[in-house]
Amino acid sequence: DAGITQSPRHKVTETGTPVTLRCHQTENHRYMYWYRQDPGHGLRLIHYSYGVKDTDKGEVSDGYSVSRSKTEDFLLTLESATSSQTSVYFCAISGGQYNEQFFGPGTRLTVL
Amino acid sequence: AQSVTQLDSHVSVSEGTPVLLRCNYSSSYSPSLFWYVQHPNKGLQLLLKYTSAATLVKGINGFEAEFKKSETSFHLTKPSAHMSDAAEYFCVVSGLSGGGADGLTFGKGTHLIIQP
Repeated sequence: DAGITQSPRHKVTETGTPVTLRCHQTENHRYMYWYRQDPGHGLRLIHYSYGVKDTDKGEVSDGYSVSRSKTEDFLLTLESATSSQTSVYFCAISGGQYNEQFFGPGTRLTVL
Repeated sequence: AQSVTQLDSHVSVSEGTPVLLRCNYSSSYSPSLFWYVQHPNKGLQLLLKYTSAATLVKGINGFEAEFKKSETSFHLTKPSAHMSDAAEYFCVVSGLSGGGADGLTFGKGTHLIIQP
C-alpha cells in the first residue's frame, strides 16, 4: 500500500468551528489531492497541489482552503464548518505516468 | 471537460456467474481510464488502468476491462463472481494522458451485490 495516512480518522464538530484535516505521505510524490465522498456523488475534487506552496481549486472548493508547506504534508481547512460539509474526506497522491492516484484511508467528518 | 457515466447504480449477480459493470466516458483528450473498488468502510483500491497501450486491460482479482473508443465505453467484467467481490465500483477518467496535476473525475459508483 502507498504510504498515505490521514488524521484524524473520525471527527465530530459543531457548526461554525474551524477544522483542519491532515494528509501525510512517505512516497515523496509531487501531486496531492483532497476529495470528498457523498452518497450518490462518487468522489469530487476539492483542491489539489502540484508542489510545495503550489495549490489550485477543484470542482467543490467553496468553504475549503489548503496549504502545503512540505512535500509530505497537505492540509485541508474548513474555516467555519457547516452541516453540508459532513462527508468522508479522502487524500490521494499521484506519481504515476498516467495520473493513477492512490488514496488514504479517509476521514469521516460530522458537523452538527 | 470530461465526464463519466456508470449505467447501473446497483448490480446483483449470483456467486459463480459473470459480472458486467458498465461505464461510458466523455473526454476532450485521449483519456486515461481507471476502475477503483471500495469495500465497505474502506478506502479506494485501484483495480486496473487503461493508458492506450492495449484495449483489453487485466487487473487484480480476475477483473478486466475493454476500452472501446467507437462506443466511448470502458466496461468492467469478471468471468465468475466471488462473495468477496461485493463492493462499490467506480469508473474514473483522467483528462491528461500523461502525468500531471489533473484531478480525477469519478462516476457515481455501482454497488455490486453477490447472491449466495
